[in-house]
Amino acid sequence: DTAVSQTPKYLVTQMGNDKSIKCEQNLGHDTMYWYKQDSKKFLKIMFSYNNKELIINETVPNRFSPKSPDKAHLNLHINSLELGDSAVYFCASSTTGGEAFFGQGTRLTVV
Amino acid sequence: AQSVTQPDIHITVSEGASLELRCNYSYGATPYLFWYVQSPGQGLQLLLKYFSGDTLVQGIKGFEAEFKRSQSSFNLRKPSVHWSDAAEYFCAVGPSGGYNKLIFGAGTRLAVHP
Repeated sequence: DTAVSQTPKYLVTQMGNDKSIKCEQNLGHDTMYWYKQDSKKFLKIMFSYNNKELIINETVPNRFSPKSPDKAHLNLHINSLELGDSAVYFCASSTTGGEAFFGQGTRLTVV
Repeated sequence: AQSVTQPDIHITVSEGASLELRCNYSYGATPYLFWYVQSPGQGLQLLLKYFSGDTLVQGIKGFEAEFKRSQSSFNLRKPSVHWSDAAEYFCAVGPSGGYNKLIFGAGTRLAVHP
């Protein structure tokens, strides 16, 4: 039973489209995150939610909008996709003060 | 500024040889420290973590790491590398007791020769 699961695993879309990535965790954690890994494998945090409340919002274009319907889910919606949005997006979860567990990643390719 | 440096971009070792991956950090307060491994096309798996206490921590797959406060280092070691250890290794730091705003190093790609 996967602890942190993301869908889809691969996403290929055209510039200008809007897409969503879903994330679910079954670990009972209260904090969830989105990280972006660029083509050079560099990982950077984008957002974090604690008990459905946004607590970390790094400098991310407002085309990216996270939504947390409940503690176990954190979705990422991206409007007007650009070529530079191509990356691997990782969802993660943790308890407050605990280590983060990551999903398998969603490879987004914008053409 | 908070940062993590992994000086070695690529490392190649022979199977059965020992391994040390370096990690240095710059952080305002005492951080939590982590090593993650990423196999090709896979997510990030936590190898080990340091929160407090004994500065030598044991992780999964036979890995260990030593926290040296005076050197701001958290190097990862394994006495005998297996071919399946070939992967990308990331060192990360985060705030102690807080939310996991992890700052990652650039990663070290490990290749293992038979």
